[in-house]
Amino acid sequence: QMRLQESGPGLVKPSETLSLTCTISGDSISSNTYYWGWIRQPPGKGLEWIGSIYYTGSTYYNPSLNSGVTISIDRARNQFFLKLTSVTAADTAVYYCARDISPGYSYGYLLWGQGTLVTVSS
Amino acid sequence: SNDLTQPPSVSVSPGQTATITCSGDKLGHKYVCWYQQKPGQSPVLVIYEDTKRPSGIPERFSGSSSGNTATLTISGTQSMDEADYYCQAWDSHTGVFGTGTKVTVL
Repeated sequence: QMRLQESGPGLVKPSETLSLTCTISGDSISSNTYYWGWIRQPPGKGLEWIGSIYYTGSTYYNPSLNSGVTISIDRARNQFFLKLTSVTAADTAVYYCARDISPGYSYGYLLWGQGTLVTVSS
Repeated sequence: SNDLTQPPSVSVSPGQTATITCSGDKLGHKYVCWYQQKPGQSPVLVIYEDTKRPSGIPERFSGSSSGNTATLTISGTQSMDEADYYCQAWDSHTGVFGTGTKVTVL
């Protein structure tokens, strides 16, 4: 059974770069043609879609966050990544990685990681 | 606009029907999915492609979409359905979430 796990620093200083890794276990990231996504949720607030990456490396980003966001994939290591540059306190959130329900389509995220809290503070 | 609007809260008695709406520009032309999120937990997909239920999701959850509004209906609501619910719309692999609705089972 495929599982996703986020990892990365829990504390990032303002103006620095937030870097997170999503590690897939239980199956290969290349075993099927899924879209993989990053979503965040500020404490006490709603969900925000950050962006997604296809297994080929094609990326799609939230237009309101586009500048400063980079999603990449390493199929050999069964991981995909999120980088967010020049962070501010507004980027404090629980960050989730997720996998779509249907290969080749963006229909909704069936599998989710447990989420990791990233706090932006000096 | 890419904003999706949901009512902040919906209250329902056990056994009754809860209806949650999601409104946005040209929503009928996009695929909509719905998530349930309980406190401290990751979201759970309950509806995708407007009307389909993932394996394991009870039949009391159903979805529909028409015009600028998508709707999640919970029939025979149970206390375990008390949670936050979010819609998400997809347009060419770009997703946007709704504002979220807190469902309270009184």
